[in-house]
Amino acid sequence: AQKVTQAQTEISVVEKEDVTLDCVYETRDTTYYLFWYKQPPSGELVFLIRRNSFDEQNEISGRYSWNFQKSTSSFNFTITASQVVDSAVYFCALSERTTDSWGKLQFGAGTQVVVTP
Amino acid sequence: DVKVTQSSRYLVKRTGEKVFLECVQDMDHENMFWYRQDPGLGLRLIYFSYDVKMKEKGDIPEGYSVSREKKERFSLILESASTNQTSMYLCASSSDPGTGSEKLFFGSGTQLSVL
Repeated sequence: AQKVTQAQTEISVVEKEDVTLDCVYETRDTTYYLFWYKQPPSGELVFLIRRNSFDEQNEISGRYSWNFQKSTSSFNFTITASQVVDSAVYFCALSERTTDSWGKLQFGAGTQVVVTP
Repeated sequence: DVKVTQSSRYLVKRTGEKVFLECVQDMDHENMFWYRQDPGLGLRLIYFSYDVKMKEKGDIPEGYSVSREKKERFSLILESASTNQTSMYLCASSSDPGTGSEKLFFGSGTQLSVL
């Protein structure tokens, strides 16, 4: 069963528009970590943020912000005033702290963001 | 900066060939991973290794094997390539102590086409 669901396959926006990427996860663990990664056209996934299950504070980093809500099992990502350089595939991922986790991540299917000038 | 290097960016092989995908990391990370990326499916874990000569199956190990003879190198082997193994293969590493909290560092990927 998919543990991380990114329902949006592709989002197209015009530069300077805001864009929100949805991520819904599923776990029975009380301790877990959520991540967002960005994959630009070059192919290399780049880490954006990590959140642990005990920290529900929203976070802002420049034009990026994240909204973590345990009540709805969601970890959404918003890009404010999008730029062409934001065009990429964005992945949400879950790491559950089981005895054999070894840092394994369960990834969602990804959301392609296309920002046009 | 951590560097994860995959030996080939693009690879074309024939059905039935034995294929080696190589990955090297330069940050002395204990953990290394092989994922494959397919449209609509995201990244799926094939194998991972948490120490030299140690390996564990991921979610989709069938048709693959791995080798980790040295800490910095993790190889993915397709014993007899098939067309359904055409995919983007991503290698990653982390220094995760077993908590699941550490971020992964990824290579740029190898796009493998099996004809």
